[in-house]
Amino acid sequence: AQTVTQSQPEMSVQEAETVTLSCTYDTSESNYYLFWYKQPPSRQMILVIRQEAYKQQNATENRFSVNFQKAAKSFSLKISDSQLGDTAMYFCASSISGTYKYIFGTGTRLKVLA
Amino acid sequence: EAGVTQFPSHSVIEKGQTVTLRCDPISGHDNLYWYRRVMGKEIKFLLHFVKESKQDESGMPNNRFLAERTGGTYSTLKVQPAELEDSGVYFCASRNSGANVLTFGAGSRLTVL
Repeated sequence: AQTVTQSQPEMSVQEAETVTLSCTYDTSESNYYLFWYKQPPSRQMILVIRQEAYKQQNATENRFSVNFQKAAKSFSLKISDSQLGDTAMYFCASSISGTYKYIFGTGTRLKVLA
Repeated sequence: EAGVTQFPSHSVIEKGQTVTLRCDPISGHDNLYWYRRVMGKEIKFLLHFVKESKQDESGMPNNRFLAERTGGTYSTLKVQPAELEDSGVYFCASRNSGANVLTFGAGSRLTVL
């Protein structure tokens, strides 16, 4: 069975600093996807970044990048130059390729401090 | 394009009452999903519609939960009768058949007293 673990319930970071959110997962599948979603307070949950497991190159999306360590089953999210608008709940998720039944972690609440 | 819309944003009911949550997916998205997050825990899959048909309802907790998607457009999730453990945030997501990413709504928070 697939599992996703986020070991940091809450984090804070100063504006303009860099923060890394951790995520580990477990799966016996060879083809799968990994995701980071963010949900700002009372707003829609949106996709931050996606990684295909077969790709060795780490995905990046502007200030957001991942450190994908396939052997270690680790998928951390780095946010550079943190902005107040990055304050949100961040969820790590996985899905087996070809299915869309996401397995989520428990989330990390990130607060960016002015 | 409009996103996934969920209503109500927050509902407070007493144990034993009935609540109906609604989800309007992105127009044209055949795939619609319901997920639930119980306080402090992970978001868990409930079920998946393809158009009006239930493709997978393996995550539905029990028969107090009824999901429908008549006409293959919006979906409703009814909880009857509600129990305390049903409290949480219910997320809806939709996906175009050609895409491999889900678009989520803001969720409907249900509080059962």
